Amino acid sequence: AQSVTQLGSHVSVSEGALVLLRCNYSSSVPPYLFWYVQYPNQGLQLLLKYTSAATLVKGINGFEAEFKKSETSFHLTKPSAHMSDAAEYFCAVLGGAQKLVFGQGTRLTINP
Amino acid sequence: DGGITQSPKYLFRKEGQNVTLSCEQNLNHDAMYWYRQDPGQGLRLIYYSQIVNDFQKGDIAEGYSVSREKKESFPLTVTSAQKNPTAFYLCASSIADATVWDTQYFGPGTRLTVL
Repeated sequence: AQSVTQLGSHVSVSEGALVLLRCNYSSSVPPYLFWYVQYPNQGLQLLLKYTSAATLVKGINGFEAEFKKSETSFHLTKPSAHMSDAAEYFCAVLGGAQKLVFGQGTRLTINP
Repeated sequence: DGGITQSPKYLFRKEGQNVTLSCEQNLNHDAMYWYRQDPGQGLRLIYYSQIVNDFQKGDIAEGYSVSREKKESFPLTVTSAQKNPTAFYLCASSIADATVWDTQYFGPGTRLTVL
């Protein structure tokens, strides 16, 4: 069965600093992987997705993620954090019957 | 504008009462999903439906029921049998094709509080 682990329930960075949110997956088949962002009291918005076409995936708002099969990882990065990036971020893997399996989420705080 | 709507945004319920959460989509998606979100636990799948008049239990279906009479609509009923219903509920939809995966798009959510 597919699963996802997000390392760190809370990450805090300074404005302008690198953002790194970690995600490791477990899957018996080539995975389809997603990163979503959630702002307070809102639904989830897709940031980016990995479909096996390219290992480095670029998403919206300057975010990107790199698929590393040898490390079973799909970490999310952004070179320079902005105050508007403060939100909760979820990594997910597509399981059987088109079901998404989510990690526990990482809350990102940006310090001025 | 195409999208997913959920209503109401906030819902209060007394213990022992059933309550129904609405989810409507105009994306012409075949598949629809209900998730429950609790702090620190991510999202957990309650029910999903890949076609009208058919639905399957997810990981935490106990105490919930759904119907799928129309392609556009997938209401969720939280019954009095759900022991801890206070949570944020999210509806999603996607294209359903066994040979092609697709992204799930989410509604804005309904926050249910049991008084």
